[in-house]
Amino acid sequence: ETGVTQTPRHLVMGMTNKKSLKCEQHLGHNAMYWYKQSAKKPLELMFVYNFKEQTENNSVPSRFSPECPNSSHLFLHLHTLQPEDSALYLCASSRDGTSNTGELFFGEGSRLTVL
Amino acid sequence: QKEVEQDPGPLSVPEGAIVSLNCTYSNSAFQYFMWYRQYSRKGPELLMYTYSSGNKEDGRFTAQVDKSSKYISLFIRDSQPSDSATYLCAMSAGSQGNLIFGKGTKLSVKP
Repeated sequence: ETGVTQTPRHLVMGMTNKKSLKCEQHLGHNAMYWYKQSAKKPLELMFVYNFKEQTENNSVPSRFSPECPNSSHLFLHLHTLQPEDSALYLCASSRDGTSNTGELFFGEGSRLTVL
Repeated sequence: QKEVEQDPGPLSVPEGAIVSLNCTYSNSAFQYFMWYRQYSRKGPELLMYTYSSGNKEDGRFTAQVDKSSKYISLFIRDSQPSDSATYLCAMSAGSQGNLIFGKGTKLSVKP
């Protein structure tokens, strides 16, 4: 395995379900990110973890709960989502937390549909 | 005014054409400018990276930054069907803030 791997690739859930998205990076990077990509909107940064510590929470609703047990794994726990949360959720990593000057490596994304 | 403006297209060109993709921005503190390419059902990948003003060339791709006009461009020469993708501009002020993305321009190169 190389790069950034996300599972599942597709997820359909009801508004009362609880599910989790998983991200794993095999690049030896120290920072990991969750982004939301919606149609006709720019990529929205949700969370940043640098050396397992959360350094950014971009005013994300509490129904999204991130978890970073180590520098290689990142989870996004989902509960009581709304239909407007349907989007492509992208995980990314970088060598360190300075994503603003460094290269981001993205996974292929998890396509979430909330019914 | 949005921080980064990018025409979402779609843009359709014939194979071999020169393609020009552009973004404008409002924050004069931006110093780092990037272009990401995103194929359908894939994540974005970094294509070009430029610091401050000037040009950068990589094969058929040229990135230009004009900080005085707050305008960046990506040129693709001799475009190929394999260039069909969505191109996202991104920029930041460095340690002062996060990476800000444009909406992306969807490009289709017809054989």
